Amino acid sequence: QQQVKQSPQSLIVQKGGISIINCAYENTAFDYFPWYQQFPGKGPALLIAIRPDVSEKKEGRFTISFNKSAKQFSLHIMDSQPGDSATYFCAARGSSSSNTGKLIFGQGTTLQVKP
Amino acid sequence: EAGVAQSPRYKIIEKRQSVAFWCNPISGHATLYWYQQILGQGPKLLIQFQNNGVVDDSQLPKDRFSAERLKGVDSTLKIQPAKLEDSAVYLCASSLEEGGLTEAFFGQGTRLTVV
Repeated sequence: QQQVKQSPQSLIVQKGGISIINCAYENTAFDYFPWYQQFPGKGPALLIAIRPDVSEKKEGRFTISFNKSAKQFSLHIMDSQPGDSATYFCAARGSSSSNTGKLIFGQGTTLQVKP
Repeated sequence: EAGVAQSPRYKIIEKRQSVAFWCNPISGHATLYWYQQILGQGPKLLIQFQNNGVVDDSQLPKDRFSAERLKGVDSTLKIQPAKLEDSAVYLCASSLEEGGLTEAFFGQGTRLTVV
């Protein structure tokens, strides 16, 4: 089953706090795990991505933590800002020829950062 | 670099009518995707093209949906006849390499309302 399960569905964080969004997957053939950020009326935009050969990737205030054995990965937003308020999607892509380039998305998390 | 262009931005039709969406991917991008995003859910892949050939259309409701990519560039997605449950945002995305093994860039989407 090619599913990516994301939680929580919604999240409210105070400005300066840490936002944490979790995802779990089932298909061990996945080899690329991106996070997308989507603002209302816009298409998703790539935020940060990781491959399963590393356990953590950091870009500015955004960090992905990856646990291959547990088949879980998470997004941490440090020092959350009101401008980070958006919907975040995790995704996974398989490496098998039958799943070439096919991105499977999680259900999304709506983040609200309060000033 | 120009992004992925989609038109129209919004469309309201009555059920059983037909509708078509257009996508112009980023120049030189070999892979083109159509996703359906129902309100509150993550994008779901409908069809993936590599140049002008179909790579994956396993989740395309072929009794009512059709898509083509002329000359490996622009693409159109058609729904005929539309149902109420087709109300969603239809996102087009493209990626540079064959097989979609690079970042996918999304357009702003077409919001379809079927009444």
